[in-house]
Amino acid sequence: DAGITQSPRHKVTETGTPVTLRCHQTENHRYMYWYRQDPGHGLRLIHYSYGVKDTDKGEVSDGYSVSRSKTEDFLLTLESATSSQTSVYFCAISERLETQYFGPGTRLLVL
Amino acid sequence: AQTVTQSQPEMSVQEAETVTLSCTYDTSENNYYLFWYKQPPSRQMILVIRQEAYKQQNATENRFSVNFQKAAKSFSLKISDSQLGDTAMYFCAFMKHDGNQFYFGTGTSLTVIP
Repeated sequence: DAGITQSPRHKVTETGTPVTLRCHQTENHRYMYWYRQDPGHGLRLIHYSYGVKDTDKGEVSDGYSVSRSKTEDFLLTLESATSSQTSVYFCAISERLETQYFGPGTRLLVL
Repeated sequence: AQTVTQSQPEMSVQEAETVTLSCTYDTSENNYYLFWYKQPPSRQMILVIRQEAYKQQNATENRFSVNFQKAAKSFSLKISDSQLGDTAMYFCAFMKHDGNQFYFGTGTSLTVIP
């Protein structure tokens, strides 16, 4: 298994509060991704990173920001959480632009 | 935009039997990758098999094989000798050769019946 951890694994928060999810890898892979998984939608890309301090938007980036100050860490921030952001969030990594390996996921509930 | 369609929301198969999961995709690209991922109840996304579009030979990984029909834009997954541990959601995914994003289907829930 690729060395990917996500923290926290579960979080309950209230509408309007900021939330930060962390993805940590030990594989030294260049590319990192954040996805959300919702019923009926499969996985959808939120943001991705192609290097330290290099990030770009994905399909569903509104309401989310990311940062990558070190190769091993990719942070996803919800500046002001909304109920529509209740979801399961997956981090993924890849060395080249092909196969991605996924973390265990973070279940977020926004009340 | 690329789209990936999995038309079978749920399927079941008897243990030790063979089952085929369907996936079609829409793209104007000529070079790309296709994947099948498995998501068991633990929610971990696990790579099952990978196919490069320029390779005509169908990929195989032990009991898992694909039927890749490039002209028809079809990429089905065959699971032979189904085992109880194969019970999971299966996602088909597409990525352009020079792309940075996976496009996932909505998944097929497979149940292996003892």
